[in-house]
Amino acid sequence: GAGVSQSPRYKVAKRGQDVALRCDPISGHVSLFWYQQALGQGPEFLTYFQNEAQLDKSGLPSDRFFAERPEGSVSTLKIQRTQQEDSAVYLCASRRTEDREDTIYFGEGSWLTVV
Amino acid sequence: AQSVTQLDSQVPVFEEAPVELRCNYSSSVSVYLFWYVQYPNQGLQLLLKYLSGSTLVKGINGFEAEFNKSQTSFHLRKPSVHISDTAEYFCAVSEPGYSTLTFGKGTMLLVSP
Repeated sequence: GAGVSQSPRYKVAKRGQDVALRCDPISGHVSLFWYQQALGQGPEFLTYFQNEAQLDKSGLPSDRFFAERPEGSVSTLKIQRTQQEDSAVYLCASRRTEDREDTIYFGEGSWLTVV
Repeated sequence: AQSVTQLDSQVPVFEEAPVELRCNYSSSVSVYLFWYVQYPNQGLQLLLKYLSGSTLVKGINGFEAEFNKSQTSFHLRKPSVHISDTAEYFCAVSEPGYSTLTFGKGTMLLVSP
């Protein structure tokens, strides 16, 4: 597609519920990133994929967070047993290559509110 | 570890006035520097980036930034702002050995008539 597409755009979850957030990167992009952006803060890195390989998951805040990209295109971020502190915008981004010089393109985000 | 400091959380300015948004980074190695803009309820859009070469970088929408290695700064400037420039601006750094970008906390630019 023309840009990075994320769904759902808005999600309200009850505390303890599991949620799944989907990301469709730009077609052919090798690198895929997930970020978490809390209200009034900058995006914080969660995890990085190169094709289907998850090369860095150092930013995932707990083992309740899990991400996958099984076929090297679409990715899903799953949050189990959601807590109120998980409320944030989850941004997906992609990059054409693994080269740091290449531009990273962001989706519009999935807004998660845990009540 | 890389980190980015944006010294101002909010910058109010009148339309057609010049503006400077400040960004400092902490790294002792060669870095790449970026400015992104985020309009309400939207994702981040790249304004400009510094990889190497000329320290003055020109971006979209009339913005430019100057890389200053001795002061570890990468301030964003625009000579004359428009109402439509009202948005959140994020400075980010990419360092060798790190997978991705590290962002500052952002500066909200508020342009009023």
